[in-house]
Amino acid sequence: GQSLEQPSEVTAVEGAIVQINCTYQTSGFYGLSWYQQHDGGAPTFLSYNALDGLEETGRFSSFLSRSDSYGYLLLQELQMKDSASYFCAVRDTGYSTLTFGKGTMLLVSP
Amino acid sequence: DTGVSQDPRHKITKRGQNVTFRCDPISEHNRLYWYRQTLGQGPEFLTYFQNEAQLEKSRLLSDRFSAERPKGSFSTLEIQRTEQGDSAMYLCASSLEAGNTIYFGEGSWLTVV
Repeated sequence: GQSLEQPSEVTAVEGAIVQINCTYQTSGFYGLSWYQQHDGGAPTFLSYNALDGLEETGRFSSFLSRSDSYGYLLLQELQMKDSASYFCAVRDTGYSTLTFGKGTMLLVSP
Repeated sequence: DTGVSQDPRHKITKRGQNVTFRCDPISEHNRLYWYRQTLGQGPEFLTYFQNEAQLEKSRLLSDRFSAERPKGSFSTLEIQRTEQGDSAMYLCASSLEAGNTIYFGEGSWLTVV
């Protein structure tokens, strides 16, 4: 089976940098994705890592270490609108679907 | 590109009634997924289609749940004899076959009273 662990909640202030970690266990591994979800809204895609290293997209970056079964999402220059839940998700090589973690609620305060 | 659309957005039903949700995926996407999400949890996979073929179903999917995608375009998810434990948001998503990204709709909220 597959399992993912991520912190349940992270708090930060506007302008700060925050890192949300994700560790996973899968029988195979195809890639790690990150999704953002605002209250009552749809999960929206943020980033995808299939290979080790850092992927940068504007204020958001995502990192993957396949040997450690670990990844993180880095959010810089935090804004109030970044307050949301963030989910890591893995695709196992044997499956065509994504398995999601329970999510990390990020609270950004002024 | 109008995105993934779902209907209805909200449904309140009495226990024991049947409900049906509809999903219209992004037009060029041949994969369609159904997920369920409850408060404080991540989306939980239910089933997925490639074109009109249902290729995978979660072991957690009760036989009261059935999904169809008759012409490989829109899909319906029916829940028969609803139970209070079915109360959740039902999310539809779609992707290209070779894509690493799935795109979610806004979800259909179900409340069983």
